[in-house]
This record gives sequence, C-alpha cells and structure tokens, in this order.
Amino acid sequence: NAGVTQTPKFQVLKTGQSMTLQCAQDMNHEYMSWYRQDPGMGLRLIHYSVGAGITDQGEVPNGYNVSRSTTEDFPLRLLSAAPSQTSVYFCASSYRIAAKWVEQYFGPGTRLTVT
Amino acid sequence: QQQVKQSPQSLIVQKGGISIINCAYENTAFDYFPWYQQFPGKGPALLIAIRPDVSEKKEGRFTISFNKSAKQFSLHIMDSQPGDSATYFCAASMTGTASKLTFGTGTRLQVTL
Repeated sequence: NAGVTQTPKFQVLKTGQSMTLQCAQDMNHEYMSWYRQDPGMGLRLIHYSVGAGITDQGEVPNGYNVSRSTTEDFPLRLLSAAPSQTSVYFCASSYRIAAKWVEQYFGPGTRLTVT
Repeated sequence: QQQVKQSPQSLIVQKGGISIINCAYENTAFDYFPWYQQFPGKGPALLIAIRPDVSEKKEGRFTISFNKSAKQFSLHIMDSQPGDSATYFCAASMTGTASKLTFGTGTRLQVTL
C-alpha cells in the first residue's frame, strides 16, 4: 500500500491564481481531511469528509473548497490564492472500529508559497 | 480559542535523559489523546495514544500520563536518543463524531550527545 499520497510536493503561485492540491489514499478509509501547518500554530483542520459525497468545514475553511466523489480521492481547491495561504498542507485519512474513529494517517505534505 | 495548549515550545535534552512535554485541554468531550512525531519534511506520524479510561500508557521508551480531573496529559521519553530529535504534537478528538483532531502548537525536541 502507498498509504496517503499528495501531489505536488512544492508549488509556487501568484496572488489570484487557482490550483488544486491532490490527495489519494489506497487504504479504503472512510474519513479524509485537510490540515494546514503554520509555524507556532500546530496543524489546523481546513475541511473533512466522512465518506464519498459528504464534506464539512473545519476550523479554517475560508478560501478553500473540497469535494469527495470517490472514497480514494479528496482534492483541495484554492480558487483565488492569497499570501495568507502560504503554508504546508497535509492530507490525512482514518477509519472506524466499533463506531470509534481511530488513528489518522498523514501524507507527506505539499509546501505552497503564494507571492 | 486554543483548545489544546502545549508546552514547552522547544526542549533540549542530553542523550540518555528524560524528555517531558505537557498538554492541557479544555473540552471535556474529548475522548482520544494522541501524540504525533514529525521529522523535517515529513508528515506527522502517530507515536502513542491514550483514552481517558486509563491514567498511563507505555510503549517502549514512550509513556503518556493522563490526568482527567486536571485535564492534562504529558509525554515522557525515557533514555532520549539523538534519533528522537523531532517536533512532537499532542492532539485531542471526539472519536464518536468525526475524527477531527485539535492539535497543540508543537514542541521541537533536540537530543544532544
């Protein structure tokens, strides 16, 4: 299993440009999520999904869109990039045992710079 | 509003020493408390986790101590090694709803020779 994969690894955007960060998992996990990591702030939840066709907002959703058409993929879209979105983005997936969600598996991250 | 507070921000420990990182939470509905280890350029990886029905969990050199009444939990790394040098994050979630982790701000650990 490849686990959680993310592309691209690095990206530089100009203010106002749009792009999609890709995330895929091959573990058949129901749950997928996106976090951003900023210095001194830990990881903050952007959006999450508990299954195909179901998404919801996390702590910092503004400026980001998501969709979940398959179990495997959970892309994150930046419609109009802003310098405040310069960050490292992590995708994660998880599953349930006896109705309890268990550990999250994180991808390697995408480092995004918006100039 | 930061729901999980982590300290210290950075820590330097000599090889063989004990590293201690502390976290405090506010939301009493949290029922799962993991610690993640992150090396530079990598994603966080689960190190050890605890649920509030036990006060301590040990896995090798890593121990979580949990104090439900004080709403605090801590990570102890015994016999710290240079390979343990990394950033450590505590987190908390309510596992009966969605697996939304609330993270602490991280502790950068450096283990010196």
